Amino acid sequence: AQSVTQLDSQVPVFEEAPVELRCNYSSSVSVYLFWYVQYPNQGLQLLLKYLSGSTLVKGINGFEAEFNKSQTSFHLRKPSVHISDTAEYFCAVSETVGTYKYIFGTGTRLKVLA
Amino acid sequence: DAGVIQSPRHEVTEMGQEVTLRCKPISGHDYLFWYRQTMMRGLELLIYFNNNVPIDDSGMPEDRFSAKMPNASFSTLKIQPSEPRDSAVYFCASSLWTGNNSPLHFGNGTRLTVT
Repeated sequence: AQSVTQLDSQVPVFEEAPVELRCNYSSSVSVYLFWYVQYPNQGLQLLLKYLSGSTLVKGINGFEAEFNKSQTSFHLRKPSVHISDTAEYFCAVSETVGTYKYIFGTGTRLKVLA
Repeated sequence: DAGVIQSPRHEVTEMGQEVTLRCKPISGHDYLFWYRQTMMRGLELLIYFNNNVPIDDSGMPEDRFSAKMPNASFSTLKIQPSEPRDSAVYFCASSLWTGNNSPLHFGNGTRLTVT
């Protein structure tokens, strides 16, 4: 079985500062990794995904994430945040073979301060 | 493409009443998922369908919850009778499977309040 841990429930950061949202996963099989974003009163949207190959993945809105197999991590980063990045961010995994089923982390609420 | 459409957006009901949440997936998508989001538990998968057939309902909390997908364009999640602890945001998501990396497309959710 897989599990996803997002260590920070809330991350406040000032506008134009860098940010890192942490995600660790556990799985006995190989997985795909995802970050989704949820803006207020909306559903989740795909931000980026890691399938294979280069461990650095670039997504929308200037976000990127790095897959680290030895540390079973998939941290999300942005070098300079904007007020509009205020949202909840979810890390998720899906097995590469077998059951098609996403497991989501509990989410990290990013609050960008002016 | 109108996206995944959920109705109603908000539902307020009294304990003991029946509640029905509705979802229209994106046309052509073959998977449909129901999730529940609460502050305490985050995003929980309740049930999902493939080609209108329920595949895994192990996340359904108890017998008070039921879900159907009578055709490829429509699904319902019913709670009968409802209880205050059912208060949450319920999301429907659909996807077109091309591999286990196929992204989910979420609706805007139904915020359920049971008093």
